[in-house]
Formats: sequence, structure tokens, C-alpha cells
Amino acid sequence: EDKVVQSPLSLVVHEGDTVTLNCSYEVTNFRSLLWYKQEKKAPTFLFMLTSSGIEKKSGRLSSILDKKELSSILNITATQTGDSAIYLCAVVSGGSNYKLTFGKGTLLTVNP
Amino acid sequence: GAGVSQSPSNKVTEKGKDVELRCDPISGHTALYWYRQRLGQGLEFLIYFQGNSAPDKSGLPSDRFSAERTGESVSTLTIQRTQQEDSAVYLCASSFPYPPFFGPGTRLTVL
Repeated sequence: EDKVVQSPLSLVVHEGDTVTLNCSYEVTNFRSLLWYKQEKKAPTFLFMLTSSGIEKKSGRLSSILDKKELSSILNITATQTGDSAIYLCAVVSGGSNYKLTFGKGTLLTVNP
Repeated sequence: GAGVSQSPSNKVTEKGKDVELRCDPISGHTALYWYRQRLGQGLEFLIYFQGNSAPDKSGLPSDRFSAERTGESVSTLTIQRTQQEDSAVYLCASSFPYPPFFGPGTRLTVL
């Protein structure tokens, strides 16, 4: 059974801190890894990492895929209160019928 | 439209009633997913449609749950004889091919 595990489950920091969120996976036929931010209901897409694109950066957010260690990290520098959200990691796997397996998420709270 | 839309945004129903949830994917997106998210929990896979292929129904929790999709357009998720444990946010996502983009969800409350 495919498995995606995120850590920590929750994290409380102060504005300006840097945080690192972790995602590890055990899946059959890995295709790509996705990061989403969920503030209210709908997760919004952040990054997609594949074998040909193992590092992505957008502003204060960056992510790296380690295919050897079957894991990924999401870094947020100079955190702001608006970064408070649940961060979800998902892995795309499978043959012709791709599966998308989500981790339980990391709840990040950024206090002023 | 520009994004995935879902209706209704909120639905309150009585135990035992049937409900139908609708998802309009982004035009041209061949893949469509339904997920369930209970309060404080992660996303639980329900069903996956890809073009004209047979859907992957492996996540449907019971035979009270069913979903249809007409071609590469609208999808409906039907829950028959609703139970209180069906209360959750139901999220739809579409993609071509990746990443999937999510709709705003339908919050279902079963009294």
C-alpha cells in the first residue's frame, strides 16, 4: 500500500523564523511529488517535483526532492502570519492509472 | 470557467436522505479526482476518472457512494442513505496531466 508521511504534524513559530517541513514516501512506481497549501477548504498548488526537476523555488518558499532518501522538504524563510496553513504533500504513482496519495499534512502556525 | 467549481458549497441533510454533489472541472482536463476530508483529518481518496478509461473506484468507502462523469466534463458524487459519519468536506480536483487543481469543496453536514 502506498504511504506518504509528513512531519511534524504541527509547528508553531514566530514571524521571521525559518521552517522546514518534511515528507517521506513509500510508493510503487514513483512519478512526482506535489506540495499544496490549504488555508480554508481548497488546497492550492505550490510545487511539483520530478526526477528531472528536483528543486523548485518561489519567493520565500523552496522545495527539494531526494529520490535516494524517498523524501522531500519544504522550506519557508522569513515566515509571515499569512503562511499559517496546513501544508500537504502528495505523491503521484502508478502505471497507466495514476494514483495521488496525500500525507496527513503539517499544520503551521506563525505568530506575530 | 477559470477554475474547478463545485456545488453546492454547503449542504445540510438529514440522516437517511440521498445527496448529490457536483463538480465542474477545468475545461480540457481529462483527469478528475474526488476526495473526502473529515474535520482535522487528511485527504481521503474516493474515486479517479481518466478520459474514457474505467474509473478507479478503490477509495469508495461503501456501496452507498457512487460517482459518474460524462466524457471529460461534469462529475457527480452521490451518497445514498447518508450517515452522520459522511459529514465532511468533499473536494474535487482536475488535471491535465499534472498537477491537479482543487475546487472549493462542498461541506456536507448530516444531522
